[in-house]
Amino acid sequence: QKEVEQNSGPLSVPEGAIASLNCTYSDRGSQSFFWYRQYSGKSPELIMFIYSNGDKEDGRFTAQLNKASQYVSLLIRDSQPSDSATYLCAVKGSGYSTLTFGKGTMLLVSP
Amino acid sequence: DTAVSQTPKYLVTQMGNDKSIKCEQNLGHDTMYWYKQDSKKFLKIMFSYNNKELIINETVPNRFSPKSPDKAHLNLHINSLELGDSAVYFCASSPMVQETQYFGPGTRLLVL
Repeated sequence: QKEVEQNSGPLSVPEGAIASLNCTYSDRGSQSFFWYRQYSGKSPELIMFIYSNGDKEDGRFTAQLNKASQYVSLLIRDSQPSDSATYLCAVKGSGYSTLTFGKGTMLLVSP
Repeated sequence: DTAVSQTPKYLVTQMGNDKSIKCEQNLGHDTMYWYKQDSKKFLKIMFSYNNKELIINETVPNRFSPKSPDKAHLNLHINSLELGDSAVYFCASSPMVQETQYFGPGTRLLVL
């Protein structure tokens, strides 16, 4: 059974701070890693994906992957109230495997 | 210029009824998916089709039957609806099986 674990939160940070969201996964053969953001009542939207160990930056977002530790994280710099949402970590194995989603971490950014 | 669309957006029905949800994507993607998101917000894959062929069928009751008339459409028919079927159903698509998925707006199903 492939599992993706996230702290459900809420994670509360003040505006302008760095928010750090973490995710661990059980399938060592996993190859692709995604972060989705889901506002309440809306559909998940892709923020970033990462395939290789290390950091990947896109604007205020940085994804970090450590396959040896089976750990992937998302950093949000200069957090804004509009970043308040649930962040879903998703992991994909090889071949025709599906995305396995974590239960999401709720982020609250206070003005 | 909607990418992935679903109809209806809301569906309220009685136990035992049969209902269908439709999904269309205009992204030219080869692969489409159905997900269920329950009240605890856990998003779980139900089915996946690649070029109209079923490639993934997770442990889903036989009451759920997907149909893909062409690459751009993936419909979900549910027979004999039960209270536990109440959830948000999301359709998604991706260029190929291994690539990034894009989600539709969801269909909120409430079974009374």
